[in-house]
Amino acid sequence: DGGITQSPKYLFRKEGQNVTLSCEQNLNHDAMYWYRQDPGQGLRLIYYSQIVNDFQKGDIAEGYSVSREKKESFPLTVTSAQKNPTAFYLCASKVGTSSQETQYFGPGTRLLVL
Amino acid sequence: SQQGEEDPQALSIQEGENATMNCSYKTSINNLQWYRQNSGRGLVHLILIRSNEREKHSGRLRVTLDTSKKSSSLLITASRAADTASYFCATDSYSGGYQKVTFGIGTKLQVIP
Repeated sequence: DGGITQSPKYLFRKEGQNVTLSCEQNLNHDAMYWYRQDPGQGLRLIYYSQIVNDFQKGDIAEGYSVSREKKESFPLTVTSAQKNPTAFYLCASKVGTSSQETQYFGPGTRLLVL
Repeated sequence: SQQGEEDPQALSIQEGENATMNCSYKTSINNLQWYRQNSGRGLVHLILIRSNEREKHSGRLRVTLDTSKKSSSLLITASRAADTASYFCATDSYSGGYQKVTFGIGTKLQVIP
């Protein structure tokens, strides 16, 4: 059963705490992406990775960090520097970086601040 | 307005009617894609139309692209209650030396049985 998974489905963060969102894909895709979605809004790109051990900042990278040590995994850490982390976080992957390919999305993680 | 801005933001129709959603963008694009999102879920890709294409069909979906007006439309024919979801357009372009995908804010479609 191929696909892209995210965990957990819901995550609660205390003030000043770092939390990590998991994203795993078994589609053998090179490119992976993290987006943030706020209520009634489109998706905004946080970070993306075109290949293992490489990643670039997106439009709203401040307060977030990522790693890409394995092709299958692209975890996102929401640091204490992110002052407004409550949002729906979506991970996506794509075969490569060609503009003719589509992104496949995971089911999302909803992050809430206690 | 932002790149990939959908119109209307909300649409409510009766089952069996057609639903039309529009998307406008600002910069030159390589392609434009439409996605669907059920409440609280990830996005599902519906259709991709390349910049040199004008119309594309997939089942009950029809997408048009007018690059001179920088706009696209998504038509869902004979709508069903299961079509209730948010629909997003995403434009694919090159910006600052790298490929960039920009999503609009979406159209929330409600199909009433």
